[in-house]
Amino acid sequence: EIVLTQSPGTLSLSPGERATLSCRASRSVRSSYLAWYQQKPGQAPRLLTYGASSRATGIPDRFSGSGSGTDFTLTVSRLEPEDFAVYYCQQYGSSPLTFGGGTKVAIK
Amino acid sequence: QVQLVQSGAEVKKPGASVKVSCKASGYTFTNYGISWVRQAPGQGLEWMGWISAYNGNTDYAQKLQGRVTMTTDTSTSTAYMDLRSLRSDDTAVYYCARAPYYSDSSGYYGDWGQGTLVTVSS
Repeated sequence: EIVLTQSPGTLSLSPGERATLSCRASRSVRSSYLAWYQQKPGQAPRLLTYGASSRATGIPDRFSGSGSGTDFTLTVSRLEPEDFAVYYCQQYGSSPLTFGGGTKVAIK
Repeated sequence: QVQLVQSGAEVKKPGASVKVSCKASGYTFTNYGISWVRQAPGQGLEWMGWISAYNGNTDYAQKLQGRVTMTTDTSTSTAYMDLRSLRSDDTAVYYCARAPYYSDSSGYYGDWGQGTLVTVSS
């Protein structure tokens, strides 16, 4: 099983600042099959990016994914008030599919 | 538009079983799979498994093998997740999600159900 470790656990930032979230895999993720999700309280997760760097439909271009192999990053270029939430990475290249433990982006 | 509508909240005693449904609409059901993901209170996301809506093939998380069964009813475009021998640590919100492939369990999830809270308590 591929273990995904997200860091930091919590990121305290102000609106307008840049957020950089990390996801590290215990072994290489096949074909960069890595997705990022955003989750707000009481809601289902929302797909942001897939294939490490492709944005899902309707996702603003301030969200960008990058990386390959074992190291992946989600960057939010300028935080909007609605971006404060928990973010999860997921590898979907090998079974069992696995999620990281999450990074909470909190308002400073 | 794609919609996944799940059944309502359940309260179960330890040792009992629960069956959660997920009714799909807005797409051809048998061209995709359905995955199930759960989230314990205040915790992260856990992949439970996948079922092909095309042929019923399944891929379950090893830790749930023997306790979970996923099925589909193509006549009603509904997927089901049956979890047996419930324990307190099965208390969670259970989500279904449309999986992009009917042939294997890989894939990301762009469409999710609203979630079903299952509470296991004596």
